[in-house]
Amino acid sequence: AQKITQTQPGMFVQEKEAVTLDCTYDTSDPSYGLFWYKQPSSGEMIFLIYQGSYDQQNATEGRYSLNFQKARKSANLVISASQLGDSAMYFCAMREGVAAGNKLTFGGGTRVLVKP
Amino acid sequence: DAGVIQSPRHEVTEMGQEVTLRCKPISGHNSLFWYRQTMMRGLELLIYFNNNVPIDDSGMPEDRFSAKMPNASFSTLKIQPSEPRDSAVYFCASSLVSVNTDTQYFGPGTRLTVL
Repeated sequence: AQKITQTQPGMFVQEKEAVTLDCTYDTSDPSYGLFWYKQPSSGEMIFLIYQGSYDQQNATEGRYSLNFQKARKSANLVISASQLGDSAMYFCAMREGVAAGNKLTFGGGTRVLVKP
Repeated sequence: DAGVIQSPRHEVTEMGQEVTLRCKPISGHNSLFWYRQTMMRGLELLIYFNNNVPIDDSGMPEDRFSAKMPNASFSTLKIQPSEPRDSAVYFCASSLVSVNTDTQYFGPGTRLTVL
């Protein structure tokens, strides 16, 4: 079974609008971390935001916020006020508990294209 | 502060040749990861080190691949002999594993083409 699922292979968003990127995960470990990375066309992987499984509040970093719904095992990324520079691939990743080491498992990614 | 440094950025080689990819992690980080990204398989972990010790190499595709971390500031990923199916982008990432965080920061990647 897939541990990280990103169901949206690609999407368009109008500049200045908000966009939500879906991510669901599967783990039986009570301690885990969820990460989002951005990969622009230049290829580098840029860390955006982190949510720990025990965090009480949803993580926010500037225009990025994470809609963490633990019972549903979802960790959707919300980008507010989209900019042209937000056009990129976005990857959701999970780090399971200490026993599993701190390696990341990545989803397949969602390509976002921001239209002017 | 300098981020993760990888070299070379691009490598084109012929099948059968030895390829060595290099990585310098962020200073002070205690974990280092090698990932491979392809269109078919996405991002997959090859191997990772904690405090210079290999912890999990289950993602290394076969014996042609080997990785070393002789000290805290340097790691290599070697492919010998290389094959066309090894063509991919290889990322190195590092993190500082602590109580509060273990975010991995990625290098710019090495794009490997094996002809």
